[in-house]
Amino acid sequence: QVQLVQSAAEVKKPGSSVKVSCKASGGTFSRYTISWVRQAPGQGLEWMGGVIPSFGTANYAQKFQGRVTITADESTSIAYMELSSLRSEDTAVYYCARDQNYYGSGSYLYIFDYWGQGTLVTVSS
Amino acid sequence: IVMTQSPATLSVSPGERATLSCRASQTVNNNLAWYQQKPGQAPRLLIYGASTRATGIPARFSGSGSGTEFTLTISSLQSEDFAVYYCQQYNNWPPITFGQGTRLDIK
Repeated sequence: QVQLVQSAAEVKKPGSSVKVSCKASGGTFSRYTISWVRQAPGQGLEWMGGVIPSFGTANYAQKFQGRVTITADESTSIAYMELSSLRSEDTAVYYCARDQNYYGSGSYLYIFDYWGQGTLVTVSS
Repeated sequence: IVMTQSPATLSVSPGERATLSCRASQTVNNNLAWYQQKPGQAPRLLIYGASTRATGIPARFSGSGSGTEFTLTISSLQSEDFAVYYCQQYNNWPPITFGQGTRLDIK
């Protein structure tokens, strides 16, 4: 059974950075995309970007380009999302989510079958 | 691609049918998923490919549509179905986009 376990909640100052981790277990890590999706309080879901661990290259939503870095370490089966230049509007729960289909399967990507438990990031002075 | 869900809130009695809509600003073919989210929980995949139920999803959940118009139907609402539902397109990316959600309330 695939499980995604995320790091603990963070409180950050405006202008600083945060790095959230997502450890995968119970399945093959390297060929499934891992995405980061955030949810501001009382709001909907917002995709930030995703990475295929075996390739290392990430795709990002334009909104976050230049401010977010998504990486994955195959040796530890951990994916990371680092967000810089934090502002109050970045206060949200950040989820990692794994694809249903592996890259190269011929099936569409970015169907999110497994989710982490979420990490609350609070940005406050 | 902008995904628009309607209504924003739907009040339905247990045992009745609920119909939720999702519209895409341009065609997404049938590359459309539905998720259910309960308070304090991560989203849960219900439907993908517009109409295929994910593993373990009860048959009372069904999806239909293609192109730009999609529907999620819950045939006989159970107490555990009251939640927020999101549609998501994965046809064109980046970015992956979600609808703003429909809250399903008990009437």
